[in-house]
Amino acid sequence: AQSVTQLGSHVSVSEGALVLLRCNYSSSVPPYLFWYVQYPNQGLQLLLKYTSAATLVKGINGFEAEFKKSETSFHLTKPSAHMSDAAEYFCAVSPGRSGTALIFGKGTTLSVSS
Amino acid sequence: ETGVTQSPTHLIKTRGQQVTLRCSSQSGHNTVSWYQQALGQGPQFIFQYYREEENGRGNFPPRFSGLQFPNYSSELNVNALELDDSALYLCASSFTQREGSYEQYFGPGTRLTVT
Repeated sequence: AQSVTQLGSHVSVSEGALVLLRCNYSSSVPPYLFWYVQYPNQGLQLLLKYTSAATLVKGINGFEAEFKKSETSFHLTKPSAHMSDAAEYFCAVSPGRSGTALIFGKGTTLSVSS
Repeated sequence: ETGVTQSPTHLIKTRGQQVTLRCSSQSGHNTVSWYQQALGQGPQFIFQYYREEENGRGNFPPRFSGLQFPNYSSELNVNALELDDSALYLCASSFTQREGSYEQYFGPGTRLTVT
């Protein structure tokens, strides 16, 4: 069975600082991994995805994530935070090619201060 | 290219009533998935529809049911509403081919409040 753990329900950074949001997964098959962002009162927007190609994945808005099989991790980073990055971030796993359900973590709220 | 749309945006119902939520998939997509997001939680998978048939279901009771239409739009029906059904209901569309399904794109959601 697949599962996702997001470490830290709330992360606060200053504008211009490094953003690091942590995600660890559990999967019995090679996983597909995703990061989504949710702004207040909106749906989810796909930031980036890992689908067994390159282990370093670049997404939109300057975000990237690195798949580390040995650590079962898929942490999200951004070199320099912007005020507009303040939102809820969700890590999700799907069981690869069968691709039915996305299993989400509980989310991490990112706050950015000026 | 039109994205995923959902209607209505907000809905208030009374316990015991029935509700129908609607979703139009993104152009070119043939698969629709529904998720329930309770306040402060991550989305939870309800079910997925492909070729007008249920193609996977999460841990939700039978009073949660759905339909997919030939144009790939979908409905989520919930009977005998309970207070705990209050949540944001998200629809996601994707493209499924023989090799599998790929990334899901989400609509803005329907906020359901049960009183």
